[in-house]
Amino acid sequence: NAGVMQNPRHLVRRRGQEARLRCSPMKGHSHVYWYRQLPEEGLKFMVYLQKENIIDESGMPKERFSAEFPKEGPSILRIQQVVRGDSAAYFCASSQQGGGVTEAFFGQGTRLTVV
Amino acid sequence: ELKVEQNPLFLSMQEGKNYTIYCNYSTTSDRLYWYRQDPGKSLESLFVLLSNGAVKQEGRLMASLDTKARLSTLHITAAVHDLSATYFCAVVNMEYGNKLVFGAGTILRVKS
Repeated sequence: NAGVMQNPRHLVRRRGQEARLRCSPMKGHSHVYWYRQLPEEGLKFMVYLQKENIIDESGMPKERFSAEFPKEGPSILRIQQVVRGDSAAYFCASSQQGGGVTEAFFGQGTRLTVV
Repeated sequence: ELKVEQNPLFLSMQEGKNYTIYCNYSTTSDRLYWYRQDPGKSLESLFVLLSNGAVKQEGRLMASLDTKARLSTLHITAAVHDLSATYFCAVVNMEYGNKLVFGAGTILRVKS
């Protein structure tokens, strides 16, 4: 049973380009969470999704950021018109149930660098 | 708002010594987690603490939870170099949504 898979592991984008980050949850997990980690800081919650639904997006910037978790395929975190401040590690976690009822497992992260 | 504070933020210790990392949180918790992160790596789950007085131990690490004081501790016994990493505590409270709220992390450096 593979763990949470994120790709790409490293992504370099020029300012103004779009970044797409992918997350395939563990088998049997239908809850996905995205977190952002700035250098030397803790993880900040961005968005929580369940298949085809956004449950909580209270941590998402209002502009340029969007997330989806379609019925088929991975969850996608999309950042449009990237700026240097978007450079960070983005981690995805998945769980079998929501609400912290079951443990969330983290992927390896995507390290986004905006040049 | 659910807030989680860790201290110290940086800890440099000699091999063989004992030390404790503290994690305070602002409201009740449904679950409290401790994670380890090595540089450039993902988060590894160390402990899940559910109830008041819970204590879990794995090797040289022991975690405890006092829900009345809203405090968790991660105690390191006879530190070794391999324990050097960043340690995070994280809290879930269903009143604040189904998400982990992380502390800022404690960078631990164990010197030979």
